Amino acid sequence: KAGVTQTPRYLIKTRGQQVTLSCSPISGHRSVSWYQQTPGQGLQFLFEYFSETQRNKGNFPGRFSGRQFSNSRSEMNVSTLELGDSALYLCASSLDRVKAQETQYFGPGTRLLVL
Amino acid sequence: AQSVTQPDIHITVSEGASLELRCNYSYGATPYLFWYVQSPGQGLQLLLKYFSGDTLVQGIKGFEAEFKRSQSSFNLRKPSVHWSDAAEYFCAVLTDSWGKLQFGAGTQVVVTP
Repeated sequence: KAGVTQTPRYLIKTRGQQVTLSCSPISGHRSVSWYQQTPGQGLQFLFEYFSETQRNKGNFPGRFSGRQFSNSRSEMNVSTLELGDSALYLCASSLDRVKAQETQYFGPGTRLLVL
Repeated sequence: AQSVTQPDIHITVSEGASLELRCNYSYGATPYLFWYVQSPGQGLQLLLKYFSGDTLVQGIKGFEAEFKRSQSSFNLRKPSVHWSDAAEYFCAVLTDSWGKLQFGAGTQVVVTP
């Protein structure tokens, strides 16, 4: 089975622009979570989607948004980029969100640099 | 509030020596605990997890972890490290029924010849 894939892997943007990142979960997985990783704040939860519904959201401003499609693929969008948004954005998928202890499998991440 | 603490930011260990990474958690109920490893430029790979039952958990790559409720700890161990074990290691706790993970700050492991 193919793992979680994220595109693009690297991205450079300038302040004020917006960006869309994509995540394709493992086949059959219906839950997708997004995390931001920075040297200063570490790994922080952004949001989680299950069957196209946002079930959970972390403490990020409204500039960060996401969605999930019927095939479970997910996108996250960051509008009005700030320098502090430079980070590695990780996507994780799991089989079933009804059972919270389902293992989450992470993708390689998208490294975003905001200049 | 739930929290995860990894007291050691950086550990240097000789190849072939044993390794122990510390993790302490603060959580009201029975915690679901995880250890992930991240190699440079890579995502996170699950090493092992604890939900219930036997407090000594075996994982991949020869790692094991022991859950100690009395000490609120979930330390990761490996008897003999290999150069390929150089990476950053994260302890995490599941904080709600929807699968939100809270991670520790991570421990960077350097393996010397």
